[in-house]
Formats: sequence, C-alpha cells, structure tokens
Amino acid sequence: ELKVEQNPLFLSMQEGKNYTIYCNYSTTSDRLYWYRQDPGKSLESLFVLLSNGAVKQEGRLMASLDTKARLSTLHITAAVHDLSATYFCASGSNYKLTFGKGTLLTVNP
Amino acid sequence: DAGVTQSPTHLIKTRGQHVTLRCSPISGHKSVSWYQQVLGQGPQFIFQYYEKEERGRGNFPDRFSARQFPNYSSELNVNALLLGDSALYLCASSWDRESWSYNEQFFGPGTRLTVL
Repeated sequence: ELKVEQNPLFLSMQEGKNYTIYCNYSTTSDRLYWYRQDPGKSLESLFVLLSNGAVKQEGRLMASLDTKARLSTLHITAAVHDLSATYFCASGSNYKLTFGKGTLLTVNP
Repeated sequence: DAGVTQSPTHLIKTRGQHVTLRCSPISGHKSVSWYQQVLGQGPQFIFQYYEKEERGRGNFPDRFSARQFPNYSSELNVNALLLGDSALYLCASSWDRESWSYNEQFFGPGTRLTVL
C-alpha cells in the first residue's frame, strides 16, 4: 500500500526567509502532485510532476521530483504572508491519489 | 467553464441518519472521485467512477456507496451515520481514458458534513 509522508507538519516562517517541505512516498508512482488548501476551502492544484528530475516553478514556489529517491520537495523562496496555508503532496497510482498529512505553513512578519 | 460543483455546501445530521452528497464534474470530464477529509488530516480516497462504473474503492465500510449518472454527475451516499463521519467530503473530476494516464484531478469546494 502506497504511503506518503510529509515533513515538517508545521512550519512557522519569517517573511523573506527560504524553506523546504519534503514529501517521501513508499512505492513507485506515476506522478506527484502538490496542492494548497486555505482554511475551510478546497484543494488548489499547484504542480504536477510527471518524471524523474522534473522541476516546476510558479512565483515563489518551486517543486522537484526524484523518483529514484521517491522524494519530492517544495521550496519556498522569500516567504510572504500570502503563502500561509496548508500544503499537501499526493502520489498518484492507478486510479487514486494518496495524500500526505499536510504541512501547515504560517508566515510571520 | 464552470469548475466542479458540489451540493450541499454544509449539512448537519444526527447519528443513524442517511446522507446523499452530489457532485457535478467539469464539462467533458468522465471520471469522478470522492475523498473524505477529516479535520487536520489529508484527504482519503473513497471511490472513483469512470463511465458510470466503479473503478476503485478505498478502505471504507459498506455504509459508503456511490454511483455515477449518464451525465457523469455523481452521488455519494452514507448510511447509518457515525460521529466519525463528520468531515469535508471532496469530489474531484478528471478527463480520462480507459487506462490511467496523465489525469489531473480538479477538486470541488466540498461538502462539510457534521454528525451530531
């Protein structure tokens, strides 16, 4: 059974600092997703990573995938308050997504 | 184009009751998936339907059932509600072919179910 682990689960950042969220998954997977969720809201798709070495960037967020290490990272550059949210990684295999527990990111001034 | 829509937005039920949640996929999407998200946790897969047939089921009891209609909309039914069924229920749709391929899932706003 596929398992997805994120760390850290809680991240308190200062504005302007950089940090990384890690996502490990237990078995070979077709693809890796990153989602953002604001309190009480649904999931917003951030990135879909399809192959080993894939790197995608959008604004202050950059995601990468290492399928050999079964590891994806979400790097945050120069954090701003608007990035405060919960971030989930999910691994897709067959017909379903398996999610990590999420990382609650809080950006403080 | 409209995104995935779900109804109702919020729902309050008591233990033992039955509930039906509804989902309309993005136009052109043929696959609908249901997820349960308990507070503080990541979403957990319940079902996926493609072309009106169940393609996958997560580790949920038989009290949970679903179906997909000819217009690709879907219903999730939960019988004999328990307190632990309180959660955000998310529906996701995707454009799909018969085999699993690049298949990004787009999530609806969710239905918040509270069981008292």
